[in-house]
Amino acid sequence: DVKVTQSSRYLVKRTGEKVFLECVQDMDHENMFWYRQDPGLGLRLIYFSYDVKMKEKGDIPEGYSVSREKKERFSLILESASTNQTSMYLCASSLPGITNEKLFFGSGTQLSVL
Amino acid sequence: AQTVTQSQPEMSVQEAETVTLSCTYDTSESDYYLFWYKQPPSRQMILVIRQEAYKQQNATENRFSVNFQKAAKSFSLKISDSQLGDAAMYFCAYRSSGGNQFYFGTGTSLTVIP
Repeated sequence: DVKVTQSSRYLVKRTGEKVFLECVQDMDHENMFWYRQDPGLGLRLIYFSYDVKMKEKGDIPEGYSVSREKKERFSLILESASTNQTSMYLCASSLPGITNEKLFFGSGTQLSVL
Repeated sequence: AQTVTQSQPEMSVQEAETVTLSCTYDTSESDYYLFWYKQPPSRQMILVIRQEAYKQQNATENRFSVNFQKAAKSFSLKISDSQLGDAAMYFCAYRSSGGNQFYFGTGTSLTVIP
């Protein structure tokens, strides 16, 4: 079974801190994604990466950056955390979109910015 | 960007009864994939069922089935013989054929009443 592992289940940070959310997948998937989940808004794409060192902005990239130095690892970076970034963050991976391949998700990181 | 709409923020069903969750989407493409994901309180997103747009036959997975109406751009999920373990948030998702990005609806919270 594919495993997508997010480094923290819960995280509490202070306003202005630099925050790193780490995600690792073990199935050699080309695509990796970071979503933000908020009540009533569903899942919104922050960034995705289709290869090492390649990235594309999603729908809400402001205030975030990403890093993909190795195929299995995709990091989300909050350069200067703000209270409006308090949210659930979900990492996911998939094969390229030429088939009906699904997304595999991590179990999420609930981030609170105080 | 594609739009996926789930118009029912909350639904409830009596145990052993049947419930239908609605999803509509907006696209100009003819080839794409549709998915229903379940997110229980554990937060782990689980694929429930998927449908290829080129297939006329509706997908089924045990107690879960879909009603795919391509012309109407509708993709509803039917859960038969509802069980307590079906209580979760359900998300509808769209991905174009050959595309990498998944687009999600805002979710429907399903309560199962014993």
